[in-house]
Amino acid sequence: GAVVSQHPSRVICKSGTSVKIECRSLDFQATTMFWYRQFPKQSLMLMATSNEGSKATYEQGVEKDKFLINHASLTLSTLTVTSAHPEDSSFYICSAGDQTSNEKLFFGSGTQLSVL
Amino acid sequence: AQTVTQSQPEMSVQEAETVTLSCTYDTSESDYYLFWYKQPPSRQMILVIRQEAYKQQNATENRFSVNFQKAAKSFSLKISDSQLGDAAMYFCAYRASGNTPLVFGKGTRLSVIA
Repeated sequence: GAVVSQHPSRVICKSGTSVKIECRSLDFQATTMFWYRQFPKQSLMLMATSNEGSKATYEQGVEKDKFLINHASLTLSTLTVTSAHPEDSSFYICSAGDQTSNEKLFFGSGTQLSVL
Repeated sequence: AQTVTQSQPEMSVQEAETVTLSCTYDTSESDYYLFWYKQPPSRQMILVIRQEAYKQQNATENRFSVNFQKAAKSFSLKISDSQLGDAAMYFCAYRASGNTPLVFGKGTRLSVIA
């Protein structure tokens, strides 16, 4: 099946710094990438939809200036958490669809962000 | 907006027995897809089974099968011959047709007792 590579898998940073998370579709073109956040023992909540070559669409309550999304190519989308604070500590996971795979979405392996 | 409800926060099953996880959803769409995902402690999302809404036949993947009741908007997952490796968090998810995101339920934590 299609593969989505997500890096880093774990990052620890100081409060006030920025962190970039990358998601790459390795063997297919992902015109759209979905970014989710998962707090401990909770479900996945959609943060934003990233479209190649255009601005991302953010869900209600998600600060677009804090969570910068760039989808500059058909195989790479990035999420940058700017001026991170401890409340931003969470598990972030991306997913993308391959149009040849009958509506299946493929997930990255996730990034655990811990802000000290 | 579409919603997915999983009413069982936790379930347990004896090894080799059968367990059913419940899921209901709400949508006004006629064309959509339903999924069950497994999330083990590694937190990797693993697709267990999928169902197209236009198909009346229930999907089956080895020990996993679903009971899809479109009129009732119900989509339960049955795991037969449960194995220790089945222990995980299970999420029911809905996806409208087209380039749309998955909408997840809150999940059911399944424990398998040896």
